[in-house]
Amino acid sequence: DIQMTQSPSSLSASVGDRVTITCRASQGIRNDLGWYQQKPGKAPKRLIYAASSLQSGVPSKFSGSGSGTEFTLTISSLQPEDFATYYCLQHNSYPLTFGGGTKVEIK
Amino acid sequence: EVQLLESGGGLVQPGGSLRLSCAASGFTFNNYAMSWVRQAPGKGLEWVSAISGSGGSTYYADSVRGRFTISRDNSKNTLYLQMNSLRAEDTAIFYCAKFVPGSAFDIWGQGTMVTVSS
Repeated sequence: DIQMTQSPSSLSASVGDRVTITCRASQGIRNDLGWYQQKPGKAPKRLIYAASSLQSGVPSKFSGSGSGTEFTLTISSLQPEDFATYYCLQHNSYPLTFGGGTKVEIK
Repeated sequence: EVQLLESGGGLVQPGGSLRLSCAASGFTFNNYAMSWVRQAPGKGLEWVSAISGSGGSTYYADSVRGRFTISRDNSKNTLYLQMNSLRAEDTAIFYCAKFVPGSAFDIWGQGTMVTVSS
């Protein structure tokens, strides 16, 4: 099984900050990775697919990069509506696996 | 509008059974694989099971293999998850999600809560 190690597990940041979240796969997954945002009481929402493609309707402040085993999600300028938990998901092979999540909180 | 609507959750005793449903609309259901993903209270997301568009291929997480069965009725645009031998650790919100090749889950349902407790 492919393990996804996501870091950090939580972070505190201020409005306007640039934030970077990382996922590392235990083996190469090409670009078969997505990033999801989840707010309390809501279903996850896809932000990025194929490692770096922006989901339609998602603001361009979100960007993804990486391939193989190292991936990053960057929020260029954090806004109040971005405080949430973020997950990566590898879909290169079954079982599909999520990272452990990163909770982004207000400093 | 593309939509997924789960139902069937509830309170069940340990060892009991429950069947979840996910009604799909707004897209050609049989063209897409579907999955169930769960989230225990206060925890992260866990992929549970997947089924191909035709229903001919199924996949399971080790934690549920042999206890849960995924199926679909393409004539009713509905996905199912039959859950048997339920355990306390199966307590979670269960989401269904549409899988797009090369880009994974683009659409999620709102979730249905399953509580396993005596």
